[in-house]
Amino acid sequence: EAGVVQSPRYKIIEKKQPVAFWCNPISGHNTLYWYLQNLGQGPELLIRYENEEAVDDSQLPKDRFSAERLKGVDSTLKIQPAELGDSAVYLCASSSGQSGPDEQYFGPGTRLTVT
Amino acid sequence: KQEVTQIPAALSVPEGENLVLNCSFTDSAIYNLQWFRQDPGKGLTSLLLIQSSQREQTSGRLNASLDKSSGRSTLYIAASQPGDSATYLCAGGEGRRALTFGSGTRLQVQP
Repeated sequence: EAGVVQSPRYKIIEKKQPVAFWCNPISGHNTLYWYLQNLGQGPELLIRYENEEAVDDSQLPKDRFSAERLKGVDSTLKIQPAELGDSAVYLCASSSGQSGPDEQYFGPGTRLTVT
Repeated sequence: KQEVTQIPAALSVPEGENLVLNCSFTDSAIYNLQWFRQDPGKGLTSLLLIQSSQREQTSGRLNASLDKSSGRSTLYIAASQPGDSATYLCAGGEGRRALTFGSGTRLQVQP
């Protein structure tokens, strides 16, 4: 079974440019998360989806960040315009969303560098 | 708001030593506790998940415990190997809600 897939793995852009990250969760997983991880820190939630609905986006900087999960499968996270402080690793995770322990599985992440 | 703390921030041990990584959390209404491993430049690999109704979980040389009353979890690694070198993160969960992570313990096992 394939794990969580993310692309690109690395991205370098100049400030004020737009950037987009893509995530394909584990097949059948209803819940999808986007996390931000700064160097030396643990990941922090940006947005959580239940199927195609964003149920927790309280930590998403909506002035420049947007996300979508059309058809409740894969998801795209966008930043426009990017700032120097957005340099970080963007992690996508998924869980089954069914009853039970609801273990989260993470993708390899996208490392963003804004110059 | 849940806060998770991991001590120590970094640890260096000789190969073969048994070691314990500590994790503390502020909200005892935790649903589950998940331990992850992160290698440099890589994503997170789930190691163990302990549900709130459980006290511990074991996988190979790893054993994780959960004490909700004291707000603590420990990850025990037996007979450490150089391949265990990585950052270990613990995270508290509330069902399908986002995990709250600690900052991690960076482990170096010396040959």
